[in-house]
Amino acid sequence: DAGVIQSPRHEVTEMGQEVTLRCKPISGHDYLFWYRQTMMRGLELLIYFNNNVPIDDSGMPEDRFSAKMPNASFSTLKIQPSEPRDSAVYFCASSPQTGMGYEQYFGPGTRLTVT
Amino acid sequence: KQEVTQIPAALSVPEGENLVLNCSFTDSAIYNLQWFRQDPGKGLTSLLLIQSSQREQTSGRLNASLDKSSGRSTLYIAASQPGDSATYLCALSGGSNYKLTFGKGTLLTVNP
Repeated sequence: DAGVIQSPRHEVTEMGQEVTLRCKPISGHDYLFWYRQTMMRGLELLIYFNNNVPIDDSGMPEDRFSAKMPNASFSTLKIQPSEPRDSAVYFCASSPQTGMGYEQYFGPGTRLTVT
Repeated sequence: KQEVTQIPAALSVPEGENLVLNCSFTDSAIYNLQWFRQDPGKGLTSLLLIQSSQREQTSGRLNASLDKSSGRSTLYIAASQPGDSATYLCALSGGSNYKLTFGKGTLLTVNP
């Protein structure tokens, strides 16, 4: 398997624009996670899905952020409108299950810069 | 709320040295603990996973331990090499929703 795939790898946009980040999890994995990494706050979970259903979105910072998973092989994280403080690296991860023995596998991340 | 602390924030050692990275956490009700490696500008690579019922895991030159009673985990790297230079993060899964809580990492530099 190719691992978790994220696109784009880098995104530069102006404040107020809509940004869409994409993720393809590892085939057969039932769980998908979106994380954000900043220097100040480190890695934080934004939202996660089980079998395409959002389970916990308590980490989503504001209503400007939304995430969807229309099928088992694709998820999007959308920011509308974007702000400079949204600049960060956004990671997607997937896991076959959750619980004691199951690892999360991370994608390479999307580096977002909002000017 | 689970809090994860990694000390030191940065560590520089000469090649060949054995070293220990530390991770402490506040809530011992965990399912598992993972150690990750992150290279600059890259994603996270899982190194070791210790289940709640286990005390340690080993992979090559790496050994991770878990002591839930004291809220501590260590990552031991034997015979360090310049290629080990990276940021090492520990993360814990626990609570009602299995989500991972990360420490802020230790930046390791191994000097040739």
